[in-house]
Amino acid sequence: GAVVSQHPSWVICKSGTSVKIECRSLDFQATTMFWYRQFPKQSLMLMATSNEGSKATYEQGVEKDKFLINHASLTLSTLTVTSAHPEDSSFYICSATAGRWDTQYFGPGTRLTVL
Amino acid sequence: DAKTTQPNSMESNEEEPVHLPCNHSTISGTDYIHWYRQLPSQGPEYVIHGLTSNVNNRMASLAIAEDRKSSTLILHRATLRDAAVYYCILRDVAGKSTFGDGTTLTVKP
Repeated sequence: GAVVSQHPSWVICKSGTSVKIECRSLDFQATTMFWYRQFPKQSLMLMATSNEGSKATYEQGVEKDKFLINHASLTLSTLTVTSAHPEDSSFYICSATAGRWDTQYFGPGTRLTVL
Repeated sequence: DAKTTQPNSMESNEEEPVHLPCNHSTISGTDYIHWYRQLPSQGPEYVIHGLTSNVNNRMASLAIAEDRKSSTLILHRATLRDAAVYYCILRDVAGKSTFGDGTTLTVKP
């Protein structure tokens, strides 16, 4: 199947700093990318939907000014957690698809720990 | 968003078939049924998907009820590597997938 990568795989930062997570589709062009967050022992929660060249659509309850999403090309989307706090510590997972009827492929996830 | 309901956990013996059920009574006519599985600290892995007809691939089979209100993922011979959390997901016309709580599958040797 198609490959989606994330970088970094883990990051530890101090409270108040910003962290950027990259999501890349390595062997296909992703018209849409999704960002999820997963807390321990819980399911994935969709944060936002990102289409190339347009503004991301955020799910209810997700602060768009805190979680900045950029989808500048068909192979790259970034999630920036601004002014991170300990409660933002989580497993962040992206996924990418070539189209709404195509398979959605997930990245390996990024573990964020905010001290 | 249409919801899915799955048992919290299931157990299987190695080399035996496993049937993982999923209820999705509020499914709409255009929702695709997708199955993913996730190992700890990893991203979900695609397993199989379908719309109306039963589907087979090298990993599993997907049996979809005639009214589409339920489906069953079938692993024909469970191995220890199949132990994971299995998610049944409905994907809408916008391509968006909403995850339920999933089923934790334990495979006993």
